[in-house]
Amino acid sequence: NAGVTQTPKFQVLKTGQSMTLQCAQDMNHEYMSWYRQDPGMGLRLIHYSVGAGITDQGEVPNGYNVSRSTTEDFPLRLLSAAPSQTSVYFCASSDRDSGNTIYFGEGSWLTVV
Amino acid sequence: GDSVTQMEGPVTLSEEAFLTINCTYTATGYPSLFWYVQYPGEGLQLLLKATKADDKGSNKGFEATYRKETTSFHLEKGSVQVSDSAVYFCALDSGAGSYQLTFGKGTKLSVIP
Repeated sequence: NAGVTQTPKFQVLKTGQSMTLQCAQDMNHEYMSWYRQDPGMGLRLIHYSVGAGITDQGEVPNGYNVSRSTTEDFPLRLLSAAPSQTSVYFCASSDRDSGNTIYFGEGSWLTVV
Repeated sequence: GDSVTQMEGPVTLSEEAFLTINCTYTATGYPSLFWYVQYPGEGLQLLLKATKADDKGSNKGFEATYRKETTSFHLEKGSVQVSDSAVYFCALDSGAGSYQLTFGKGTKLSVIP
């Protein structure tokens, strides 16, 4: 009963380093997305995917890359980390059969120093 | 574009008090409306939802009614418990697909014994 699984849960990066946040779902959902959560800002959409091989930008895509080679996985790559990317990142998935319900992972806390 | 405005927090209530968290929205078309809850250190969980005007969503004693005439979706609970302490997010899905949510900034609720 895993749902949406994110790794790592905590990470500290130095400015300029790159890393990948992993996201996997076992519900065979078509749609997957990444949000970032900042104090006083709510959650903002970074990138999303409507199916394997298809990705698109959300509200705040700069500095991030995504790919969707399989239905299950949707990794988020930080190309050159900046302190402004210090945030909590949430992966989410859904599909038409989930009745508009979006399922979230437990979050990844990222600090860029 | 779409937007969600919810009352600023933090909100502190005594146990068994009545809770209202206001939420209003701006959207084109006919959005679905959601309340998500985030307990400390955890991801977001769907609390309740409504997909059309006059629908009432309810769960765990919480209720919210989709009011198209006032573009509102206020969250209410008649008697809060300490275990309700969390951050509450109002959100909408514009209908373009179930992979894009627009969130309010969140309201932190603390319930004291």
